[in-house]
Amino acid sequence: GESVGLHLPTLSVQEGDNSIINCAYSNSASDYFIWYKQESGKGPQFIIDIRSNMDKRQGQRVTVLLNKTVKHLSLQIAATQPGDSAVYFCAEKRKAGNMLTFGGGTRLMVKP
Amino acid sequence: EAGVTQFPSHSVIEKGQTVTLRCDPISGHDNLYWYRRVMGKEIKFLLHFVKESKQDESGMPNNRFLAERTGGTYSTLKVQPAELEDSGVYFCASSQRRDYGYTFGSGTRLTVV
Repeated sequence: GESVGLHLPTLSVQEGDNSIINCAYSNSASDYFIWYKQESGKGPQFIIDIRSNMDKRQGQRVTVLLNKTVKHLSLQIAATQPGDSAVYFCAEKRKAGNMLTFGGGTRLMVKP
Repeated sequence: EAGVTQFPSHSVIEKGQTVTLRCDPISGHDNLYWYRRVMGKEIKFLLHFVKESKQDESGMPNNRFLAERTGGTYSTLKVQPAELEDSGVYFCASSQRRDYGYTFGSGTRLTVV
């Protein structure tokens, strides 16, 4: 897959457990944050987003937390399933531009 | 709704050759973006079109890369001449509004040998 040669941090969880994937972003001027999921052979798939005027947002089985003080973003996945196995990327966007800056990605492996 | 379509899905070319990648965005999406991930690196921005105009091409690595979006519909990204370091996965994405997340295509894996 695409990750050959790309050494990603890996999070291994048991099916049914909750997963927490963390991301540190770099720019305090960023005002929009997105989590993407990428499965092998596919492009990044939007999971959930959050704007800088919020500190928490919930979706179906997923929650994103934003801590602007320490420039930290996390993705929580409840009751992790085998289909959640993928590489997860955080991305940030600055107020002035439209470009996304991606983090390096975390590989989530779900053990049945 | 059809997603973002990229063609080809894979391309293997020799150093010095030319390759053209194509992206068909979601119909009605004025914003079209090119990104790439080369081996061992993060996904990096290349450029952004609004309709047929280049809004931001600050991520284009050098003048061997040429992107076009004639008519504001599909876009092409040409690499001429290709170098070994151009190998990676090239993603296209589109969005209706600038302040929302994008929809990505599946990417084109380019291998330069």
